[in-house]
Amino acid sequence: KQEVTQIPAALSVPEGENLVLNCSFTDSAIYNLQWFRQDPGKGLTSLLLIQSSQREQTSGRLNASLDKSSGRSTLYIAASQPGDSATYLCAVVSGGTSYGKLTFGQGTILTVHP
Amino acid sequence: DTGVSQNPRHKITKRGQNVTFRCDPISEHNRLYWYRQTLGQGPEFLTYFQNEAQLEKSRLLSDRFSAERPKGSFSTLEIQRTEQGDSAMYLCASSLALGIEEQYFGPGTRLTVT
Repeated sequence: KQEVTQIPAALSVPEGENLVLNCSFTDSAIYNLQWFRQDPGKGLTSLLLIQSSQREQTSGRLNASLDKSSGRSTLYIAASQPGDSATYLCAVVSGGTSYGKLTFGQGTILTVHP
Repeated sequence: DTGVSQNPRHKITKRGQNVTFRCDPISEHNRLYWYRQTLGQGPEFLTYFQNEAQLEKSRLLSDRFSAERPKGSFSTLEIQRTEQGDSAMYLCASSLALGIEEQYFGPGTRLTVT
């Protein structure tokens, strides 16, 4: 059974700092990995999707890497801003499936203070 | 609006009552997913539809839960005889059926059982 773990559970940083969020998964046979953002009481917004054949994806100040063999992904946020404060969720689609059921980590709560 | 919509956004009910939630996916998306998220946790998969067919149900979906997707368009999730443990955010997502495609999430329905 696939399990996804995110470290740290919470992170508080001053504005402007670069930061890294970590995600690990137990079964390396994944189809893809996705990072989401969730604001309090809201739904999920997709940030980046990395296919299993890719090593990284970038969008603006965000960069996500994937090391499938070691079961790890990192989300790098450059020059953090107070508006980045949210919960960040990592999710994988396991291999051997014909559709996209996501298995999520428990999330990292990020607070960026001015 | 071309996104996934869910109604109601919030529902407060007394234990033992029945509740029904609705999800309207992105119009051209064949696949529809329901997830449940409790406080401080990542979402957990509940069930999946391709068009009108319900193809997988999680063991989390007890006999009190039923989901439908008539005509392959909107979907409903009904909970009968609600219990306090049903209090959670219920999230709907949809995707194309061209392989393993990115899922787009709705804003969720927050259920509180008193």
